[in-house]
Amino acid sequence: EDKVVQSPLSLVVHEGDTVTLNCSYEVTNFRSLLWYKQEKKAPTFLFMLTSSGIEKKSGRLSSILDKKELFSILNITATQTGDSAVYLCAPTTSGTYKYIFGTGTRLKVLA
Amino acid sequence: KAGVTQTPRYLIKTRGQQVTLSCSPISGHRSVSWYQQTPGQGLQFLFEYFSETQRNKGNFPGRFSGRQFSNSRSEMNVSTLELGDSALYLCASSFIQGSLEQYFGPGTRLTVT
Repeated sequence: EDKVVQSPLSLVVHEGDTVTLNCSYEVTNFRSLLWYKQEKKAPTFLFMLTSSGIEKKSGRLSSILDKKELFSILNITATQTGDSAVYLCAPTTSGTYKYIFGTGTRLKVLA
Repeated sequence: KAGVTQTPRYLIKTRGQQVTLSCSPISGHRSVSWYQQTPGQGLQFLFEYFSETQRNKGNFPGRFSGRQFSNSRSEMNVSTLELGDSALYLCASSFIQGSLEQYFGPGTRLTVT
């Protein structure tokens, strides 16, 4: 059965801190892994990772995938209160093109 | 370009009733996927429609069904509602089936009493 585990489940930090969010997965016919940020309702797309070891960066956010060890991390440096959200990872599978979401990491950044 | 829209935004139903939710994808997008989000289970895939055909289906009972129209708009129906169906229902659109980048709508919050 396909499985996605995100850790930690929740995290409280202060502005300026650096955080690392983890996503481990076990899926058949792995295709790619996506990261989303969900603030109130609609998750918004952050990154898509398909190759191991290649870091994707967008401002203070970066992410990397390890296809051998079956995990991905999302780093946020110099956190701001606007980073407070639930961060979701979703491995996708080829063939059925299913998206399997983890339960997310709830990040709260205090001023 | 307008984003994904969902109607209604909030809905309260009683057990045993049925409900229909609507999703209009981004213009030009032909694939619509539906998800159920609950605090305990997270975001779970319901089904995906492309070109008016259901292409993929998650592990939900037959009470959950959907359809897609020729203009790519999609509806999701839940019959014989149960308390456990209370959730945020999100739809996401993408340009093609199986696209790796989906754009989510704001969701419909369904409460079953």
